Order: sequence, then structure tokens, then C-alpha cells
Amino acid sequence: AQSVTQLGSHVSVSEGALVLLRCNYSSSVPPYLFWYVQYPNQGLQLLLKYTSAATLVKGINGFEAEFKKSETSFHLTKPSAHMSDAAEYFCAVSDSGTYKYIFGTGTRLKVLA
Amino acid sequence: EPEVTQTPSHQVTQMGQEVILRCVPISNHLYFYWYRQILGQKVEFLVSFYNNEISEKSEIFDDQFSVERPDGSNFTLKIRSTKLEDSAMYFCASKGSNSGNTIYFGEGSWLTVV
Repeated sequence: AQSVTQLGSHVSVSEGALVLLRCNYSSSVPPYLFWYVQYPNQGLQLLLKYTSAATLVKGINGFEAEFKKSETSFHLTKPSAHMSDAAEYFCAVSDSGTYKYIFGTGTRLKVLA
Repeated sequence: EPEVTQTPSHQVTQMGQEVILRCVPISNHLYFYWYRQILGQKVEFLVSFYNNEISEKSEIFDDQFSVERPDGSNFTLKIRSTKLEDSAMYFCASKGSNSGNTIYFGEGSWLTVV
């Protein structure tokens, strides 16, 4: 069965600092991996996705993630945090058969001025 | 850009009442989903629907839940007799045959059961 683990339910960074949100997956088949962002009282917005092409994936708002098969990881990074990045971030995995997404428990990012 | 639309955005209902949450998936999409997010928790899969039938459902999707595609555009989630623990954000999603594994989420319907 597929699963996703997000380490750190809350992460705080200073404005301008590096953002690193961790995601590890478990899958018996080549996974499809996604990062979504959710702002307060809003829906899920796709940040980026890995679909077995390039291992370094660039997304919207300056975010990127690197797929590392050896570490079963898909960590989300951004070089310089902005106040507007404060939100909840969810990692998700799916396989090519079911298209069903399994979400992680989420990481709430707080950006300090 | 095409998007998944959901109505209502927020509904308050009394325990025991029936609720229907409506979704209009992206045109020409063939795969439909409902997910649930209880406040402060992760997003959980409820059900997937393809070719006019349920293709997969989770343990959460018990007999009080049902889905329907009553016409060519709407996809509904019905909760027959709501419980307090059904209070959550419900997300509809859809996927096209050409969108790979990417599914597109609506903005959600926030259900409060009192």
C-alpha cells in the first residue's frame, strides 16, 4: 500500500530564509508525487508534480522539489521564504493504476518577519 | 483555465438531515472523486467514480454516503443522515484521460453539522 510521511507538522522560517518541507513516500510501484498548498479557508492548489520525467521539478511561486528514489523522498524547497508562503502544504502520492491520491498529514509553514 | 466548481461553499445542517453536495467537474473529464478534510487533519479519499459506477471507496464511505452523476455535467455526494463527525470540508476532483495522474480539485464545500 502506498503512503506518505511528512516530517514536521509545523515549520517556522524567517522571511528570506530557505524553506525545506520534508516528504517521504512508500510505494511498491513507480510513484507519482505531488505537492499542494492550502491557504486558510481555501481549496487545494497544485504546486508541482513528479511524473517520472526530470527528478528536479519546478513549480509555481518559486518552489521546487527533488525526487530521490534511493531516499524515497520528495522534499519541497524554496530558496527565500516570503510572508505570502505561510500556508499548509500537503504531499501526496498516487499510482498509475488507481489515480487515487494518498495525502500526508500536512505541514503548516509559518514565516516570521 | 477550466476548473472544478462546487456548491454550496458552506452549508450548516442539523444532525440527521440529508445533505447533497454538488460538483461540476471539468468538461470532458471522465474520472471523478470525493475527498474529505476534517478541520486540522489531512485530506482523506472517500470515493472514485468512473464509467457511471464507483471504482473504489474507502472505509469512510459507508452506507450513509452515495454518489451520483445525474446528468452529463454534475457529480453529487449525498450524505443520508448526517452526524456531527461528518463536519468537514468536502473536495470534489476530476481527471481527464489526457491529464496523466493529475487530478484537479474544486474549492471545497464546508459542511457543518450541528
